[in-house]
Order: sequence, then structure tokens, then C-alpha cells
Amino acid sequence: ETGVTQTPRHLVMGMTNKKSLKCEQHLGHNAMYWYKQSAKKPLELMFVYNFKEQTENNSVPSRFSPECPNSSHLFLHLHTLQPEDSALYLCASSQERTSGRPKVGEQFFGPGTRLTVL
Amino acid sequence: GQSLEQPSEVTAVEGAIVQINCTYQTSGFYGLSWYQQHDGGAPTFLSYNALDGLEETGRFSSFLSRSDSYGYLLLQELQMKDSASYFCAVRRSGNTPLVFGKGTRLSVIA
Repeated sequence: ETGVTQTPRHLVMGMTNKKSLKCEQHLGHNAMYWYKQSAKKPLELMFVYNFKEQTENNSVPSRFSPECPNSSHLFLHLHTLQPEDSALYLCASSQERTSGRPKVGEQFFGPGTRLTVL
Repeated sequence: GQSLEQPSEVTAVEGAIVQINCTYQTSGFYGLSWYQQHDGGAPTFLSYNALDGLEETGRFSSFLSRSDSYGYLLLQELQMKDSASYFCAVRRSGNTPLVFGKGTRLSVIA
């Protein structure tokens, strides 16, 4: 248990479906992230939220839409996905310092959602 | 662009020592982290180096040479449960998130 939970753990959807992935962190962190992990590829950062504000969007297609209603919850809304979007989607959180040198490197990951797009 | 290079696979014998190298080319550098991920599991944080030298945490140690843009993870007294993927990651500045390498799959054999 890392203190970061994700639901659902597995999801199969058609290309015309709309679904949402949910992430919740119980660590009191102020930053949350979405990553995509495909076979034989590095972890790809998708979105970053610092203090509920989106600070990074790594050229992610608009069929992925993040939402961060508060510092403990993060959603990834999916619609009209493609088969190549099938992957493990990981949520992570970290505590970013508000002043001084940040404590870099330590992110806490959830177990991920294994997504299959048919 | 940003790139981190690490071997894709390493095999080692139970009880032995193994070193996983990571070289990086990034615009800016704050520190090098290492994560472990078992099959079907989430990446978990192992270590972090911001300054040159060796950091030791039990059976695992991590080394950094900023002048060489190089680091490694050293695993001693290997156990079967150490079979997993190991990722190095760089943070380029205080305001940017981690950039991950492709990972090294370690197989520990009897």
C-alpha cells in the first residue's frame, strides 16, 4: 500500500465508449500525475497537477481529459479512444515544497488501471 | 530532447551483486532517482542522489557522477524477490516532473 489508490484496476472499452479513471491519494500531497506505461516503452508523463492547477500537458490527445477537483482526487476522462491507447495508466502523487529546494525524486504510485481498447 | 539510457535486461545469480547503469542527457539536472517495479505492480521509490557519491540503503546502493552524467544502482546479496524492472529517473529542475528511462528488467536465477 503506497497510499495511492486507483479504480478500476482493469477496464475494457470500445472505441466509442466514454469512461473515467479515478485516483485518490491519502498522503496529503500537493501534486498529482497521470502516466501511461506501454510495453517496452518508458513511463510517459501525461499530465501534472500542482495545487489543483494543471502545470503540464505533454501533447496528450484531446480524447484524454484530466480533472482535479481537489488535491486528493484526480480523474482521467476517456472518450473515442484508439486501440493503441491500450496500456497501464498510473497515477502518482508527491509533496512539492512551496519554498526552498524541492525534495525531488520521490513519487508514490498507485497500482494502475490496465486499459484495453477494442 | 531528454534521454536516459539503461540496459534493457540483466540476469544475475542469487546471492551475487549486480550493477545497473544509467546515463542521461537532459537540459538541466537536479537529481537521479531509482524505482523498482514488479510485474503487475506499481513503481516504488528506491533511492535518490543529488550529489556525487554513493548512497547506501541496506542491500541497495546508488551512485552518481554529475560530471559524467552517469549513475548506477547496485544490488547486493541478490534474492529471487529482486527480480523486477528498475527505472532511473531524472528531474531537470525544481519545477519539472521526472523523466524516466525505459527500465532494466532484472532476472535473478538460482
